[in-house]
Amino acid sequence: SQKIEQNSEALNIQEGKTATLTCNYTNYSPAYLQWYRQDPGRGPVFLLLIRENEKEKRKERLKVTFDTTLKQSLFHITASQPADSATYLCVTQGSGGYNKLIFGAGTRLAVHP
Amino acid sequence: GAGVSQSPRYKVAKRGQDVALRCDPISGHVSLFWYQQALGQGPEFLTYFQNEAQLDKSGLPSDRFFAERPEGSVSTLKIQRTQQEDSAVYLCASSSNPMGQGSYEQYFGPGTRLTVT
Repeated sequence: SQKIEQNSEALNIQEGKTATLTCNYTNYSPAYLQWYRQDPGRGPVFLLLIRENEKEKRKERLKVTFDTTLKQSLFHITASQPADSATYLCVTQGSGGYNKLIFGAGTRLAVHP
Repeated sequence: GAGVSQSPRYKVAKRGQDVALRCDPISGHVSLFWYQQALGQGPEFLTYFQNEAQLDKSGLPSDRFFAERPEGSVSTLKIQRTQQEDSAVYLCASSSNPMGQGSYEQYFGPGTRLTVT
């Protein structure tokens, strides 16, 4: 079955450093990969989408890579701030048909001043 | 404009009671999704509506779960004879694109936290 793996342990980093979160998927080849941010008591918020034919996508301090050979996406936040502390969800999506979003369990990021 | 809203935000039900959860999507969004999120897990797909048509209900865990969107806007998720395993956060999301037509981002509501005692 389709499976997404994200590091279940929280990532603790110092303010100003780059945070790197990893997402691995198995048993399928998604056409798109998305990252969402979720704060406690709130719904997920869309951050970035990358297509299978794109290697890298950037938006302000965020960067996402998509390696279809390794079946892996990396999510980077540069110059991290305490306000970046949240859970980040990796989401895959197929193409065509009823291409439901499949969510990972998320990785909690804590940025310390 | 306004985002996706859900009500109630919190619901406590005794085992065996019926509950109804409401979702108001972003106006004009054709797609509406319901998800169930357990503590420490990502959202799990329950069902999908394109306008008023329920096109995918493969994620509904049992026939006690029922969803509707009769006029293609507001949606209600109903759970009959609630069980303790139904305790979770129920999220609603909407999208301007129909599912199956390329990529689409989803806009989520704040969720309803259901606790069954």
